[in-house]
Amino acid sequence: AQSVAQPEDQVNVAEGNPLTVKCTYSVSGNPYLFWYVQYPNRGLQFLLKYITGDNLVKGSYGFEAEFNKSQTSFHLKKPSALVSDSALYFCAVRDAAGNTPLVFGKGTRLSVIA
Amino acid sequence: GAGVSQSPSNKVTEKGKDVELRCDPISGHTALYWYRQSLGQGLEFLIYFQGNSAPDKSGLPSDRFSAERTGGSVSTLTIQRTQQEDSAVYLCASSLGQGPYEQYFGPGTRLTVT
Repeated sequence: AQSVAQPEDQVNVAEGNPLTVKCTYSVSGNPYLFWYVQYPNRGLQFLLKYITGDNLVKGSYGFEAEFNKSQTSFHLKKPSALVSDSALYFCAVRDAAGNTPLVFGKGTRLSVIA
Repeated sequence: GAGVSQSPSNKVTEKGKDVELRCDPISGHTALYWYRQSLGQGLEFLIYFQGNSAPDKSGLPSDRFSAERTGGSVSTLTIQRTQQEDSAVYLCASSLGQGPYEQYFGPGTRLTVT
């Protein structure tokens, strides 16, 4: 079975400071990993994904994520947070083998304070 | 190009009535997914369609829920004899296929059962 854990329900960070939103996963094989963002009263938007290759993945709006196989983690990062980054962030995983649906974490609410 | 669209955007219905929710995926996307998001919660997978294959219905919470996809494009999610616990935002997503492809989400249908 595959699963995703986002251990923090809420992350608060000051504008201009670096931010990290944590994600750990469990799959039986190799993972496909995704980050999505949901702004208030809007649908989910794709941010970035890890499929294979370079462990550091760069995505939209200056976000990046690092795949760490030994720690089964895929933390989302940004060097300098903006107030407009305040949103709900979801990590998702599926096993690269097989045909299973994408499994989403419960989400982490990021608040960037001016 | 056009994104995923869903209708209606809001639906208020009385307990016991049937409802139909519609999803128009991105043209050319062979995979289509339905999720449910309760207030402040993560995404709950309901069902997914991939091409002409039999749908994966493993996430449907009860036999009151059903979905179909006509002509490999538009999908309808039907909830029969609605209950108050069915109140949620129903999200549809589409992708080029399974595997490493990211999903593109519609804006959702907010269902309220009174």
